Amino acid sequence: AQTVTQSQPEMSVQEAETVTLSCTYDTSESDYYLFWYKQPPSRQMILVIRQEAYKQQNATENRFSVNFQKAAKSFSLKISDSQLGDAAMYFCAYSPTQGGSEKLVFGKGTKLTVNP
Amino acid sequence: DGGITQSPKYLFRKEGQNVTLSCEQNLNHDAMYWYRQDPGQGLRLIYYSQIVNDFQKGDIAEGYSVSREKKESFPLTVTSAQKNPTAFYLCASSLIWGKGEQYFGPGTRLTVT
Repeated sequence: AQTVTQSQPEMSVQEAETVTLSCTYDTSESDYYLFWYKQPPSRQMILVIRQEAYKQQNATENRFSVNFQKAAKSFSLKISDSQLGDAAMYFCAYSPTQGGSEKLVFGKGTKLTVNP
Repeated sequence: DGGITQSPKYLFRKEGQNVTLSCEQNLNHDAMYWYRQDPGQGLRLIYYSQIVNDFQKGDIAEGYSVSREKKESFPLTVTSAQKNPTAFYLCASSLIWGKGEQYFGPGTRLTVT
């Protein structure tokens, strides 16, 4: 069974600084998707970034980028120029890509605090 | 605007009563999901449905039931058999042949006393 591990229950960063959130996963599949979701205090889950495992290039969305290390099964999220609005729970998630809908497997989350 | 709606935002019930949580989407997505979130936990899948009139159990289906009579709607019933029903419930949807991402509703906080 696939598993997703986020080893940092809490992280903090100063406004305008850079922070990296860690995620590792376990799968025997060669092709899959990985995601980072953000859950602010409103508790609405928001997709931050997606990575397709067959693509070697790391995904980037504005201030958010990932470091995808397929052999190491590592998928970290880097937030640059942190803003107060980035404070939230961040969840790493895995999905297989056999086609058809499949469930997402979530890590337990990292709570990010942004200090002014 | 396209999206997923869940109602109500907060729901209170007495122990022993069944309660139904609403989830509606107008994204024309094929698949819909119900997750449960508890403090310190990630999201755990309760049920999911890939097509109308069909649904599958997730990891923690005991004490829950669902129906999928319409593509747009996927209501979740929390029955009296669910031992710890107090939790935050999230509904999501996705395309069948999409790129794996799911889109979430705003959630319902259920409190059973």
